[in-house]
Amino acid sequence: QKEVEQNSGPLSVPEGAIASLNCTYSDRGSQSFFWYRQYSGKSPELIMSIYSNGDKEDGRFTAQLNKASQYVSLLIRDSQPSDSATYLCAVNRDDKIIFGKGTRLHILP
Amino acid sequence: EAQVTQNPRYLITVTGKKLTVTCSQNMNHEYMSWYRQDPGLGLRQIYYSMNVEVTDKGDVPEGYKVSRKEKRNFPLILESPSPNQTSLYFCASSFISGSGNEKLFFGSGTQLSVL
Repeated sequence: QKEVEQNSGPLSVPEGAIASLNCTYSDRGSQSFFWYRQYSGKSPELIMSIYSNGDKEDGRFTAQLNKASQYVSLLIRDSQPSDSATYLCAVNRDDKIIFGKGTRLHILP
Repeated sequence: EAQVTQNPRYLITVTGKKLTVTCSQNMNHEYMSWYRQDPGLGLRQIYYSMNVEVTDKGDVPEGYKVSRKEKRNFPLILESPSPNQTSLYFCASSFISGSGNEKLFFGSGTQLSVL
């Protein structure tokens, strides 16, 4: 089982709708969870971090963590064309930050 | 301006010719790391460092060396590059808090081609 798994997509979502991105991880000892956004040809940038079970909201973004199910998700409300990018889920495992392969999100105008 | 600076941005070399990719950060971060990104494989960690003179292997360390003689610098060395090391490389750094690693700051990337 891969350490951090994401659906590669592409995920196509109409403008203004909610985009839902999912991630599962294998190491139950993982403590920190992150979502990064990467535009084509650019470096990743952090958009959300979450450390405890439940929801964490920041503007149009909500991260959700369920440690019992080893599941992390990212919701993007009122999706905009500028949200079209690859979204990388990352997990802190023993001081190593492990990334999933990313989900390509395409917002349809 | 807080930043991670990688050089060069693009590099074309030949098999076996030693090369170094430099990485420097100006944020006094303890943690620094190198990743390579390949289509279909995502970001994979090569080496990381928790502080000066402390380095450890990531998931794909074969064929690479690193050193951390100063807190701000973390060069990546390819002693004898091979074509399978053709990739996009990212350096990253962060603070370490009680929750572990905080936000990773990434450099702009180095596109390496080994012929």
